[in-house]
Amino acid sequence: GQQVMQIPQYQHVQEGEDFTTYCNSSTTLSNIQWYKQRPGGHPVFLIQLVKSGEVKKQKRLTFQFGEAKKNSSLHITATQTTDVGTYFCAYGGNKLTFGTGTQLKVEL
Amino acid sequence: ETGVTQTPRHLVMGMTNKKSLKCEQHLGHNAMYWYKQSAKKPLELMFVYSLEERVENNSVPSRFSPECPNSSHLFLHLHTLQPEDSALYLCASSQKPAGTSGSTDTQYFGPGTRLTVL
Repeated sequence: GQQVMQIPQYQHVQEGEDFTTYCNSSTTLSNIQWYKQRPGGHPVFLIQLVKSGEVKKQKRLTFQFGEAKKNSSLHITATQTTDVGTYFCAYGGNKLTFGTGTQLKVEL
Repeated sequence: ETGVTQTPRHLVMGMTNKKSLKCEQHLGHNAMYWYKQSAKKPLELMFVYSLEERVENNSVPSRFSPECPNSSHLFLHLHTLQPEDSALYLCASSQKPAGTSGSTDTQYFGPGTRLTVL
């Protein structure tokens, strides 16, 4: 069956450093979504990628969908304490399957 | 964000109790979902309701019983739970009915119910 691995599981950075999380699938994905969950909070939709090689930006966040549509990444430039949380990729139409998530901690 | 509300926010119950979780969406959406989030495990989809019909049951034990009386409300009835059922239970909704062709629809999550089973 389809498997999506998200790496790393944890990332601890100093404020101002960059951060990247990766989502890798064993099969081609029709599209992929990214969600952020703050500590004690609930997942909040960030973005959806549909096209092969697509790149989208939201301020300091850059999202990419691989050419083969088997992997995706989320890159944060110059992290801030407000970026703390767990970042999930998700796929599968309305019946979403979530990746394992990457927990980001940002130190001052 | 108050588009999707859940009550109660916290619940402690014994294994012999019966309780219900409630979810309400104020977004006019057509699909609603229950997810389970356990520590160190990915979000697990439990049930999907589309246009008030259950369209997905991901091998969830019968001690969890969903109910969708209308498009705005979703319940999860709990009975004879086990301690391993302790988790954050999240409700979500989306605009398109489940199974609609085209790109994936955005899901809007409620704040969750933190359930502890003693």
